[in-house]
Amino acid sequence: AQSVTQLDSQVPVFEEAPVELRCNYSSSVSVYLFWYVQYPNQGLQLLLKYLSGSTLVKGINGFEAEFNKSQTSFHLRKPSVHISDTAEYFCAVSPNNDMRFGAGTRLTVKP
Amino acid sequence: DAGVIQSPRHEVTEMGQEVTLRCKPISGHNSLFWYRQTMMRGLELLIYFNNNVPIDDSGMPEDRFSAKMPNASFSTLKIQPSEPRDSAVYFCASSVQARTEAFFGQGTRLTVV
Repeated sequence: AQSVTQLDSQVPVFEEAPVELRCNYSSSVSVYLFWYVQYPNQGLQLLLKYLSGSTLVKGINGFEAEFNKSQTSFHLRKPSVHISDTAEYFCAVSPNNDMRFGAGTRLTVKP
Repeated sequence: DAGVIQSPRHEVTEMGQEVTLRCKPISGHNSLFWYRQTMMRGLELLIYFNNNVPIDDSGMPEDRFSAKMPNASFSTLKIQPSEPRDSAVYFCASSVQARTEAFFGQGTRLTVV
């Protein structure tokens, strides 16, 4: 069985501060990993993905994530956040032909 | 491409009525997913299709829910009869092939009163 755990349901942060959103997964097979962002009243949009190769993955809007196989983690980071980054962020795994999502982390950027 | 298109965007119906949600995936995509999003349960995978064939429907909550994909460009999710606890946002997503990124539609917000 596979599962995704997002360790923080809410993360408040001030503008221009760094942020890390944590994601751990469990799977009996090798996985593909994804981070999505959801703005209010919209569908999910892909931020970045890890399929293979370099464990540091860069995505859109200045976000990056690092795959750590030994810790089964795929944490999302941004060195300096903007007000516009306020949204819900979802970590997802695709161990088989489907895609399973974590519970989400609400990032709130305050001025 | 216009992306994944879902209709309607909003649906309000009375308990006991039949509800049909529609999805047009991105042309050329072979996998299609239906998700349900609620505050309590987050984003749940209901069912997914590969090449129009249902692969895993273990996430479908009850027999009141059914999904079809008669061709590569159309899928429906039907609830009959609907209940207030079915109120949620339903998302359709498609991908080129299994295990690649999924593209989401705007969702259908269903309210059952």
